[in-house]
Amino acid sequence: QAVVTQEPSLTVSPGGTVTLTCASSTGAVTSGLYPYWFQQRPGQAPRTLLYETNNRDSWTPARFSGSLLGGKAALTLSGAQPEDEAEYYCFLSYAGTWVFGGGTKLTVL
Amino acid sequence: EVQLLESGGGLVQPGGSLRLSCAASGFTFSNYWMHWVRQVPGKGLVWVSRINRDGSSTTYADSVKGRFTISRDNAKNTVYLQMNGLRVEDTAMYFCAGFYGTTSFWGQGTLVSVAS
Repeated sequence: QAVVTQEPSLTVSPGGTVTLTCASSTGAVTSGLYPYWFQQRPGQAPRTLLYETNNRDSWTPARFSGSLLGGKAALTLSGAQPEDEAEYYCFLSYAGTWVFGGGTKLTVL
Repeated sequence: EVQLLESGGGLVQPGGSLRLSCAASGFTFSNYWMHWVRQVPGKGLVWVSRINRDGSSTTYADSVKGRFTISRDNAKNTVYLQMNGLRVEDTAMYFCAGFYGTTSFWGQGTLVSVAS
């Protein structure tokens, strides 16, 4: 089964910009792997941020955006807010089986 | 109100079985592909299984293949996860989630503990 790799932790200043990435052990991440991004705050269930690379959920603030960057999926947060401090997971589809990345703990400080 | 409500978790001995249920309400359940995802407290999310809209196609993580079975009953708006041959390493919170286009819903999870 494929391995999906994310940065274990990142820190961003309030109002700053940060990019989280998601790499696949099978090669470049493309739209064909249908990258999803989820946010999970401590003690809460996950919720979906982005679908299929760059489509926001109805609740997702516009400061979150998705892209494909240098062979990886990327989640960019522009104008970080204190409430964005959370764990972020990417999720890739491999012909019907799915794999989560290990998660990135984002600190807003 | 949209809701996914998991149930069926609990304490079971190694080698035992449990059946998890996830009851949906407030949306058209039969449109959604349904997934089970698990998480050991303090650790990351792990995908377990998914089922398509009419139940004709299922896929599993290697770690549970041959032991777990996902199914759904669209008349009851419910997805199930039958877990057999449980191992200590299956201990986790189990979440169900539904996806359709750019809409998704997540449950709050049910805790499964496998211990002697």
